[in-house]
Amino acid sequence: EVQLVESGGGLVQPGGSLRLSCAASGFTVSSNYMSWVRQAPGKGLEWVSVIYSGGSTYYADSVKGRFTISRDNSKNTLYLQMNSLRAEDTAVYYCARGLGAFRFDPWGQGTLVTVSS
Amino acid sequence: QSALTQPRSVSGSPGQSVTISCTGTSSDVGGYNYVSWYQQHPGKAPKLMIYDVSKRPSGVPDRFSGSKSGNTASLTISGLQAEDEADYYCCSYAGSYTLYVFGTGTKVTVL
Repeated sequence: EVQLVESGGGLVQPGGSLRLSCAASGFTVSSNYMSWVRQAPGKGLEWVSVIYSGGSTYYADSVKGRFTISRDNSKNTLYLQMNSLRAEDTAVYYCARGLGAFRFDPWGQGTLVTVSS
Repeated sequence: QSALTQPRSVSGSPGQSVTISCTGTSSDVGGYNYVSWYQQHPGKAPKLMIYDVSKRPSGVPDRFSGSKSGNTASLTISGLQAEDEADYYCCSYAGSYTLYVFGTGTKVTVL
C-alpha cells in the first residue's frame, strides 16, 4: 500500500526552526517528484516546495530562502527544514507524491506547525 | 502568483448535479492541460479526484468529471450523494517558475 506519514510538527517561537519528516512506504521517494503543501487554519491549500527525482528543488516565493526540502534515500523519507519561522507559517503541512509531475497523489495525514510566542 | 478563483460554496439536493468553476489566467489554467481537483473532508487529507483536466484516477466514481475552456476549468459532480459534501480545490501547473497554484476552495453542501 502506498502511504505517507508526516511527523515533526509542534509549537515553535517566531524566528525558530523545525524539521518535518515524511516517511514513505509502498514506493521509492527518490524515483518520484515529492512536494510539501500547507494549509493555514480555516484556509486553502498552498504549494510550498518540490524535489524532483533528479534532485532539483523549487520553492514558493513565500518560503524561499527560509525552507529547504531534502530526502534521505536510505530511509525513503522526505524532509522540510524550516528556519526563520513566522506566524504566517502556522499551518498543517502535508507531504504528497507528485505523479507525472502535475498531480499530487497520495497525501499524508498532515502535521501541524504552530508559530507563536 | 495569485490563487485560482473558485466560488466559496455551491449546493444541491441528492441526485442533482453541481459544477464548480476554477478561473485562472493564460499563465496557468489557460496555458496548460494540467488541472487537477482534490476533495477534502473536514480534518482529513486532500484526495485526488481529477487530473490532467478530465482524467479520473482508479477508484474515483464516474459521477465526477472535469473540463476546461480557456482560462476556466470546471468540476462537475453528477448524481450528488451525501458523502460528496466536502471542500474541493483545483490546482494548476503554472510554469517552470511558479510551478503550482491552488484554487481558493469551494464548499459543496448536499441539501
